[in-house]
Amino acid sequence: KQEVTQIPAALSVPEGENLVLNCSFTDSAIYNLQWFRQDPGKGLTSLLLIQSSQREQTSGRLNASLDKSSGRSTLYIAASQPGDSATYLCAVKEAGGGNKLTFGTGTQLKVEL
Amino acid sequence: DGGITQSPKYLFRKEGQNVTLSCEQNLNHDAMYWYRQDPGQGLRLIYYSQIVNDFQKGDIAEGYSVSREKKESFPLTVTSAQKNPTAFYLCASGEGRSYEQYFGPGTRLTVT
Repeated sequence: KQEVTQIPAALSVPEGENLVLNCSFTDSAIYNLQWFRQDPGKGLTSLLLIQSSQREQTSGRLNASLDKSSGRSTLYIAASQPGDSATYLCAVKEAGGGNKLTFGTGTQLKVEL
Repeated sequence: DGGITQSPKYLFRKEGQNVTLSCEQNLNHDAMYWYRQDPGQGLRLIYYSQIVNDFQKGDIAEGYSVSREKKESFPLTVTSAQKNPTAFYLCASGEGRSYEQYFGPGTRLTVT
């Protein structure tokens, strides 16, 4: 059974700092991995999708990498801003059919002035 | 303006009552999903539908029912058989090959 873990559960950093969020998964037979942002009481916003054949994806100040063989993905946020404060979730879709995403429990990020 | 809408944002019900949560999308996606989110837990899949008039159980389908009569709509009914219905419910839709999922704003259901 696929399990997705995100460490740390919470992170507080000063504005301007570069930071890395971690996501690990137990079964490397994945189809893709998706990073989401969730603001309190809101739905999820898709940030980046990495297909299993890709090593990384970039969008603005965000860069996500994928190392499928070791079961790891990282989300790099450059020059963090208070507006980046949110919970970041990763989810994997397994290979072999079915549409199920398995989610991690998220990293709650706070960027302080 | 394309997207996914869920209504209502907040819903309160007495124990023993069935309640239906609405989810509509105008993204022309074939697939739609219902998830439940509880504090300290990842999202858990309740039901999903890959095409009109077809749907499959997810990991926690007991006490829930769905229908998919139209491509745009995927309502979720929380029945009185669901033991712990109080939660945040999220609907999503997805496009075919990439399986990327897009989420609605959620409905917070409180049952007392």
